[in-house]
Amino acid sequence: EVQLVESGGGLVQPGGSLKLSCAASGFTFSGSAMHWVRQASGKGLEWVGRIRSKANSYATAYAASVKGRFTISRDDSKNTAYLQMNSLKTEDTAVYYCTRPTQSGWYNYWGQGTLVTVSS
Amino acid sequence: DIVMTQSPDSLAVSLGERATINCKSSQSVLYSSNNKNYLAWYQQKPGQPPKLLIYWASTRESGVPDRFSGSGSGTDFTLTISSLQAEDVAVYYCQQYYSTPLAFGPGTKVDIK
Repeated sequence: EVQLVESGGGLVQPGGSLKLSCAASGFTFSGSAMHWVRQASGKGLEWVGRIRSKANSYATAYAASVKGRFTISRDDSKNTAYLQMNSLKTEDTAVYYCTRPTQSGWYNYWGQGTLVTVSS
Repeated sequence: DIVMTQSPDSLAVSLGERATINCKSSQSVLYSSNNKNYLAWYQQKPGQPPKLLIYWASTRESGVPDRFSGSGSGTDFTLTISSLQAEDVAVYYCQQYYSTPLAFGPGTKVDIK
């Protein structure tokens, strides 16, 4: 059974940093891209970014809204993906989901999400 | 970047009646080399992550009831719930996975009338 478990969310002040983790199990993590999607309270889904597999050079891509502030990484030995968030803004407040896309690109597995609140 | 729009923002349908949600992409998500539309539909209930319903615009995910169907091609797509059930109350999102940045529509809330 595929499982994605996010952790690391919490309250942080504007300008601060936070690192989220996504622990994966039930599939060959090293061969899969991993994506992050966020959702502000009462709002829609926003794609944050992705990291590809080692076979695809661990290539990353980011939404314009987070580029230069957020960094996605992975540790295949730990079956874990990470989202490092720096220079946080109040508008980054959201539930952050990690997702596993199929080879073709749609998301068939999602974590339960972790809440990040950016507030003074 | 591809921008996704949906209509209506919300709709209320009687139990057993049809619900229709429209999704439009700002550019085609049809990949000519394989003739596939890179468009998915998700259902999200309060407090839960989204659940995949449809991919390739019209292929139902395993385990999804056959009252859910997707259609369309290019830039215009539709999700139809043929006979609304109480458990279908949710927000529905379309998503393009044709190109990065991936993008979701703003969502359509479906309620019971």
